[in-house]
Amino acid sequence: AQKITQTQPGMFVQEKEAVTLDCTYDTSDQSYGLFWYKQPSSGEMIFLIYQGSYDEQNATEGRYSLNFQKARKSANLVISASQLGDSAMYFCAIRSYNQGGKLIFGQGTELSVKP
Amino acid sequence: DVKVTQSSRYLVKRTGEKVFLECVQDMDHENMFWYRQDPGLGLRLIYFSYDVKMKEKGDIPEGYSVSREKKERFSLILESASTNQTSMYLCASTSSITGSEQYFGPGTRLTVT
Repeated sequence: AQKITQTQPGMFVQEKEAVTLDCTYDTSDQSYGLFWYKQPSSGEMIFLIYQGSYDEQNATEGRYSLNFQKARKSANLVISASQLGDSAMYFCAIRSYNQGGKLIFGQGTELSVKP
Repeated sequence: DVKVTQSSRYLVKRTGEKVFLECVQDMDHENMFWYRQDPGLGLRLIYFSYDVKMKEKGDIPEGYSVSREKKERFSLILESASTNQTSMYLCASTSSITGSEQYFGPGTRLTVT
């Protein structure tokens, strides 16, 4: 069975600083994908970044980067130069390609950006 | 632009009522999903479907059923609503291509009284 663990229920960061949101995963599959989603207070789920298990380079998308450490089963999200609009819930998820594409989500981390 | 729509943003039902939540996607995606979201628990998979008329149980299927008669539409059914089914329900779809993200609908906040 697959599992995602996010150990930080809530985080605070000062505007313009960088912040790391932790995510560890457990899977017995060789081929899988890791995703991060943002959910602002309005409720919609916004896709941020994707890392495949065979990708050798860490994924980056603008101010978002994924610190992928396969041996440690870790997929932390790094947000550089935080903005007030980054305040939201952040979810890490794992997708196994053996199981119809379903995502298993972590409990989420609530990020608050202070001015 | 991918769009996943859900029939209602807010719904209030009484205990024992049969409840239908509808989800429609316009990107010809093979896979569709129903999740419920509760504080502190993240998103939990109820059911998913990887083809028309095909369905698979997720992690918490008890008290729910689904229907997928057409590729673009995936319905979640609460046969007899109970107060512990008060939650946010999110529908999602994705293609089978490796690395494809799931696209989510806006969610339905269901309250069962």
